[in-house]
Amino acid sequence: QSALTQEASVSGTVGRKVTLFCTGNTNNIGSYTVGWYQQISHGAPKIVMFGNSLPSGIPDRFSGSKSGTTASLTISGLQPEDEATYYCSTWDYRLSARVFGGGTRVTVL
Amino acid sequence: EVQLLESGGGLVQPGGSLRLSCAASGFIFTNYAVSWVRQAPGKGLEWVSVSSGSGGSTYYADSVKGRFTISRDTSKNTIYLQMNSLRAEDTAVYFCVKESEVVATLGGAMDYWGQGTLVSVSS
Repeated sequence: QSALTQEASVSGTVGRKVTLFCTGNTNNIGSYTVGWYQQISHGAPKIVMFGNSLPSGIPDRFSGSKSGTTASLTISGLQPEDEATYYCSTWDYRLSARVFGGGTRVTVL
Repeated sequence: EVQLLESGGGLVQPGGSLRLSCAASGFIFTNYAVSWVRQAPGKGLEWVSVSSGSGGSTYYADSVKGRFTISRDTSKNTIYLQMNSLRAEDTAVYFCVKESEVVATLGGAMDYWGQGTLVSVSS
């Protein structure tokens, strides 16, 4: 059971917008910035969003936001290369541990 | 260019020990925390442990507490994960990950990842 909750899967056609959600509580998402990590075919994960800040080299079709204890990652204009599993993560001060969501598999139809 | 190169993985029997190494380059080693994150076959990411930039502050997942120890050698820019009393459920790819803050409790990003090293625990 992951500390952060994510949908198991979402899908969309090329060019469509998809939004992934990550739900936690006041000890984690409510207190810290959430990072989003893309993993393609069990390779090394890569950061694609930190809060609403886009890391260098990440296309601007990715955007992030947070409301209370739920964070979201939106991909506007889905591309075939976006097909991957996306994990959210942040620090939890009550657990004194980093926590991850279970991951959302994004399929491009 | 930031690089993290893991080594030390392999096959070990249950109850055995293994030490993973992560050679870091391309950043000021003592200015950033470094974590170990693992991924069991077919499963999601699981955080294992983190060391602050100085090495003076460390944290562990409950699943490894008391069995694993994280440390760093600043003269070699290397992070270690000593794994004792290994169990079958420790079988995973272990990633070394640079954080964007000097201590994990600041809640920074995991901004650079190594390619991982495979640990298999089996008799």
